Amino acid sequence: GPKVLQIPSHQIIDMGQMVTLNCDPVSNHLYFYWYKQILGQQMEFLVNFYNGKVMEKSKLFKDQFSVERPDGSYFTLKIQPTALEDSAVYFCASSPGLGGLEQYFGPGTRLTVL
Amino acid sequence: AQKVTQTQTSISVMEKTTVTMDCVYETRDSSYFLFWYKQTASGEIVFLIRQDSYKKENATEGHYSLNFQKPKSSIGLIITATQIEDSAVYFCAMRGSNTGANTGKLTFGHGTILRVHP
Repeated sequence: GPKVLQIPSHQIIDMGQMVTLNCDPVSNHLYFYWYKQILGQQMEFLVNFYNGKVMEKSKLFKDQFSVERPDGSYFTLKIQPTALEDSAVYFCASSPGLGGLEQYFGPGTRLTVL
Repeated sequence: AQKVTQTQTSISVMEKTTVTMDCVYETRDSSYFLFWYKQTASGEIVFLIRQDSYKKENATEGHYSLNFQKPKSSIGLIITATQIEDSAVYFCAMRGSNTGANTGKLTFGHGTILRVHP
């Protein structure tokens, strides 16, 4: 099936540093999402993005978070500065449209903030 | 706000048997979509099956099928002829219709761990 790629698979950084998580969505998809999963818990919605704009963000999407997809390249999630509670696995997803169309998930980036 | 609840933390079954995983949901949307995903041991998240709320027929996809009971806000996942490789965490999820303010975000349950034994 369609593949979403995420780079890197694992990132370890010190608290207060900036980190950028990269997502390469399925090529013809138009809607992009980030979800956060803390170990052993469910995935929680962070933000979605369409046509160069944030459509909706959750309360987990703090002011330190930002997303962009410059010139159709990677869809990125930037955290600046990072905090200990940002440690989690971050999943990128994409879908070709809304409606009942399923979202395809990447393999996740495990972020560890020390 | 939407809510998805999976009350079964884990289930163990023997290979080649049938298993049902429960999921109930809450929403104010009159139209919505329900999904089941599984997360493998490697962390990969795989889409399994979808139910549209306006459809009365239960969705089926290979050895996955759904038991959709709309009056009970329930969407159970049924896996027939289970295999060892079905061992994973199964997440129920939902999203509202694509009208108005709904933007496609999925709300997930906490997941059910399925262990299939030989």
